[in-house]
Amino acid sequence: QVQLQESGPGLVQPSQTLSLTCTVSGGSISSSDYSWSWIRQPAGKGLEWVGRVFLRGSANPNPSLKSRVTISVDATKNQFSLKLSSVTAADTAVYYCARMNWGFAMDVWGQGTTVTVSS
Amino acid sequence: QSVLTQPPSVSGAPGQRVTISCTGSSSNIGAGYDVHWYQQLPGTAPKLLIYTGSSRPSGVPDRFSGSKSGTSASLAISGLQAEDEADYYCQSFDNSLSAWVFGGGTKLTVL
Repeated sequence: QVQLQESGPGLVQPSQTLSLTCTVSGGSISSSDYSWSWIRQPAGKGLEWVGRVFLRGSANPNPSLKSRVTISVDATKNQFSLKLSSVTAADTAVYYCARMNWGFAMDVWGQGTTVTVSS
Repeated sequence: QSVLTQPPSVSGAPGQRVTISCTGSSSNIGAGYDVHWYQQLPGTAPKLLIYTGSSRPSGVPDRFSGSKSGTSASLAISGLQAEDEADYYCQSFDNSLSAWVFGGGTKLTVL
């Protein structure tokens, strides 16, 4: 079955850019039935949708983060990526990647990766 | 403050039935957007529990059910079991924010 795995640095300095990659296995990222999302969760808090990307590369960032978020897809590697610029301590969270199905439910999730913004 | 409001906590004894509400507005649930529910066990990633209001993914017991009315949705769990103790989140789309949004989450305690 489809599995997702996040990877990237666990520590990012303030004002720098957070970069994460999600590798999709057991299925193709090129399927037109799905889009691919990032969600984050600060410690002890709720979930926040960060944005999503489609196969053809078009992306929908959360407008609350829009100017700082870039989401892209590399179909040749079966991966999609998140870049969040000008990070602050408020961006410290567990970041999850997830597959979004035709009904816009996130039906497959990665295990999550913790990113801490600190000098 | 989430645009989808959930009670912070609910509890019930084993075997009982509990419900978790998700209250929205005319820009999300009331606009007709689907509601999805997730279960997050401690220290793990969320898991899809109910999608498009009342459908269950393969492997989710029929003890879990969802419904929607007006600007609200509900998740019902019958025959409570100890392993149901988790955080539960609702999710929908909000057209005023142009974003998918989650409720603040509800912690279920099995007494």
